Amino acid sequence: EVQLLESGGGLVQPGGSLRLSCTASGFTVSGNAMGWVRQAPGKGLDWVSGLGSDGHTHYADSVNGRFTISRDNSKNTVYLQMNDLRLEDTAMYFCAKDVWAWSFESWGQGTLVTVSS
Amino acid sequence: EIVLTQSPGTLSVSPGGGATLSCRASQSISNHLAWYQQKPGQPPRLLIYSASTRATGIPPRFSGSGSGTEFTLTISSLQSEDFAVYYCQRQNSFPLTFGGGTTVEI
Repeated sequence: EVQLLESGGGLVQPGGSLRLSCTASGFTVSGNAMGWVRQAPGKGLDWVSGLGSDGHTHYADSVNGRFTISRDNSKNTVYLQMNDLRLEDTAMYFCAKDVWAWSFESWGQGTLVTVSS
Repeated sequence: EIVLTQSPGTLSVSPGGGATLSCRASQSISNHLAWYQQKPGQPPRLLIYSASTRATGIPPRFSGSGSGTEFTLTISSLQSEDFAVYYCQRQNSFPLTFGGGTTVEI
């Protein structure tokens, strides 16, 4: 069974950093495209970043240069390093596994990031 | 950046009735469109990808159609568990984008 478990969220001040983790089971992250999608409270879905099985990375303009996606195959985990956090980065962050052409069939329950002074 | 516009914002439907949700892309995206369902406090659930392919375990009352710039998600004979928010998503090319969502309510 495919499972995704996010962790690492919390309260951080503007300009601070956090690293989110997404630990997978039931499949290997190295063989699949993975993504991060966020949802601000009461708002819609917002794609953040993607990591292809080929290792190519992709970012939304709003986070490009501040966020970095990576994976550790030995831990079967995908990470999202978030630097220079802004108030508008406050959201639930979901990790998701691609099924076809960057559509996401499996999702974690999310980890909440709150940026506030 | 390609913008996805969903309509209507809210759709009121009776149980057992049908629903037609629209997603319009600002430029042609071929058939590279997915649909998701989301309920409060839950992650999204993939319903349809590549415009018309049902994801694993999705019942046949959910169907998708369209190509280019106009897409439709049709839900026939709504069940109580179908009342939720529905999002479309551009696949295949970056940046991936989501529509603003349609709420299907009783």
